Amino acid sequence: GEDVEQSLFLSVREGDSSVINCTYTDSSSTYLYWYKQEPGAGLQLLTYIFSNMDMKQDQRLTVLLNKKDKHLSLRIADTQTGDSAIYFCAEVWAGSYQLTFGKGTKLSVIP
Amino acid sequence: DVKVTQSSRYLVKRTGEKVFLECVQDMDHENMFWYRQDPGLGLRLIYFSYDVKMKEKGDIPEGYSVSREKKERFSLILESASTNQTSMYLCASSQGTGFAQETQYFGPGTRLLVL
Repeated sequence: GEDVEQSLFLSVREGDSSVINCTYTDSSSTYLYWYKQEPGAGLQLLTYIFSNMDMKQDQRLTVLLNKKDKHLSLRIADTQTGDSAIYFCAEVWAGSYQLTFGKGTKLSVIP
Repeated sequence: DVKVTQSSRYLVKRTGEKVFLECVQDMDHENMFWYRQDPGLGLRLIYFSYDVKMKEKGDIPEGYSVSREKKERFSLILESASTNQTSMYLCASSQGTGFAQETQYFGPGTRLLVL
């Protein structure tokens, strides 16, 4: 398909791990991004991964990339109520400076 | 830290008014972008600019125009506001000189209500 696909909603209990999945469109995409949007705010860059990497870890965040399946995931360990937000994945195609965004996954953390 | 600011957090305008949304970045970025965000539709690119006085249409440019007279400032103009332009408007900038520099940094957003 032509769209970056994400599930719209995810609900987890505080302390559990959250896994947000994304399917992107172009196997030649160079960088893939995860952004976080808290209510009423702009988008905050969380992390990005270069397309020749399989995994990137940054504190509680783990990004996994499966280029063959064009699948990207974001795992948040020990999810906290402050992690409640909308998470967007995005890709940049080779030779472009435009980002293509998914529609966002709303993560709700239950205390 | 990169800082992208938008002139207003909230705006209320009437149908037919001319509306200016201003965005300023302080990191000497080449590229600047305007998106609108609507529930269930995600972010949609309206216009972007890769240099002063240069602009390119995004996915939904109809009803909008832009102006980039200085590198740090990118304005979005609604020539005659309509109710279907009620939305959250997000500005972003990126360095624009290589792949990793395409990381976009976003402002806080302007929530526009057109009555």
